[in-house]
Amino acid sequence: EAQVTQNPRYLITVTGKKLTVTCSQNMNHEYMSWYRQDPGLGLRQIYYSMNVEVTDKGDVPEGYKVSRKEKRNFPLILESPSPNQTSLYFCASSLSAGGGKTQYFGPGTRLLVL
Amino acid sequence: AQSVAQPEDQVNVAEGNPLTVKCTYSVSGNPYLFWYVQYPNRGLQFLLKYITGDNLVKGSYGFEAEFNKSQTSFHLKKPSALVSDSALYFCAVRGYTGKLIFGQGTTLQVKP
Repeated sequence: EAQVTQNPRYLITVTGKKLTVTCSQNMNHEYMSWYRQDPGLGLRQIYYSMNVEVTDKGDVPEGYKVSRKEKRNFPLILESPSPNQTSLYFCASSLSAGGGKTQYFGPGTRLLVL
Repeated sequence: AQSVAQPEDQVNVAEGNPLTVKCTYSVSGNPYLFWYVQYPNRGLQFLLKYITGDNLVKGSYGFEAEFNKSQTSFHLKKPSALVSDSALYFCAVRGYTGKLIFGQGTTLQVKP
């Protein structure tokens, strides 16, 4: 089944404790992206990747890192989480960045930083 | 700057009645427009998109959307609402870097 998977689905952590949220897609998509969803703000892009080893900042990149060593994986790293990073996170992928290619979303990771 | 607006935080309709969820956009050039739905504790599911061509786009679960270039709108519609359609709906436009620019979302409540 074609899908985007994320792990973990739920995470409670404390301020400053490094964490990684994994994202993987099995559709051979070139474009991958991370979004965060906050009430009343919709979803905002954190980072994106056009292809392997090519990553760039989205609208809200502060406090996050990413890497794209393999085409299928795009982990999101919070080196020193803070309470304002409490949010619902979505990974997404699409065939490419261009045109009207549809982005497909993972199930989400709900993060609480105490 | 590119942006999307969903003017209603919540839309309430009775089951069996038609529904409309509104979306307006601001982009330069031709827009690529999308609608997604989010059920509680679930990810975003793609409903439909407009790329070019016919202004009436048909999508999943009986939903359709009408692209109106002069009014810069892309309203989501369904002729007969179901209780199971109750969810959070997002309109989005695809930006230059491939990112999706989302509206703030509209909660659809369908009452039996």
